[in-house]
Amino acid sequence: GESVGLHLPTLSVQEGDNSIINCAYSNSASDYFIWYKQESGKGPQFIIDIRSNMDKRQGQRVTVLLNKTVKHLSLQIAATQPGDSAVYFCAERSTGANSKLTFGKGITLSVRP
Amino acid sequence: NAGVMQNPRHLVRRRGQEARLRCSPMKGHSHVYWYRQLPEEGLKFMVYLQKENIIDESGMPKERFSAEFPKEGPSILRIQQVVRGDSAAYFCASSLQDSYEQYFGPGTRLTVT
Repeated sequence: GESVGLHLPTLSVQEGDNSIINCAYSNSASDYFIWYKQESGKGPQFIIDIRSNMDKRQGQRVTVLLNKTVKHLSLQIAATQPGDSAVYFCAERSTGANSKLTFGKGITLSVRP
Repeated sequence: NAGVMQNPRHLVRRRGQEARLRCSPMKGHSHVYWYRQLPEEGLKFMVYLQKENIIDESGMPKERFSAEFPKEGPSILRIQQVVRGDSAAYFCASSLQDSYEQYFGPGTRLTVT
C-alpha cells in the first residue's frame, strides 16, 4: 500500500546552519508533494509544494528537491532560525486520489541557539 | 481573511458518549477534508466532502463515525459511543475547487476518559 516515511525522528541544528529533512515515499503514482510545518498545539502549516514534473522548487529560505528515481523528497531550510523549531511532515497526493493527502510520520526539528 | 475554524478546540468525553466536531472552511472553499492525528504520528486521512456530498470516505471507520457538510453551516464529524482509542487530534482542512493546496484548521483535541 501507499506509505510516506521519514528517515530520522529528530534533527538538531545550530542556529544559522542549514537544515535538510528527508522523506521517502513508495507510491510511484504520486504526482504532488507538500511539506508542512506543525508547531505544538497547532494545525499543519503549508511550507512549499512540488509537482512530479519538477525536481526542484525554491521558496523563501526553503528549497524542496524531488528525486523520482529513488522516490525521495527533501526539504532544505537555509539559515535555520529558532522559529523554525517544529515538527515537519511530508505529504503526497496520488493522481486520481480525490485530493486526499498521505502524510509521513513527522520529524522534529530543534534549533540550538 | 479568517482561516479554517474548528470548534471546540478541546473536547472531553466519557466512554459511550457522542462527540461532535465542527469545521468552518475558509471563505469561498467548498471542499473539506478531515484527518486524524495520534500522538507522535502523522495525519491520517478520514473523509473528503463537498457541499452535501461525501466524495471519499475510505479512511473512515465503518462504525460509529460519520461526517456531513450541509449546504449551510459547518462540516460536522460525529463519533458515536466513543472509546479510549478515539482520543486524538482531529484536523479539518479546506481547499478551493480544483486547487491542490489544503489549508488546515487548529484542530480539535478529543480526550476520552
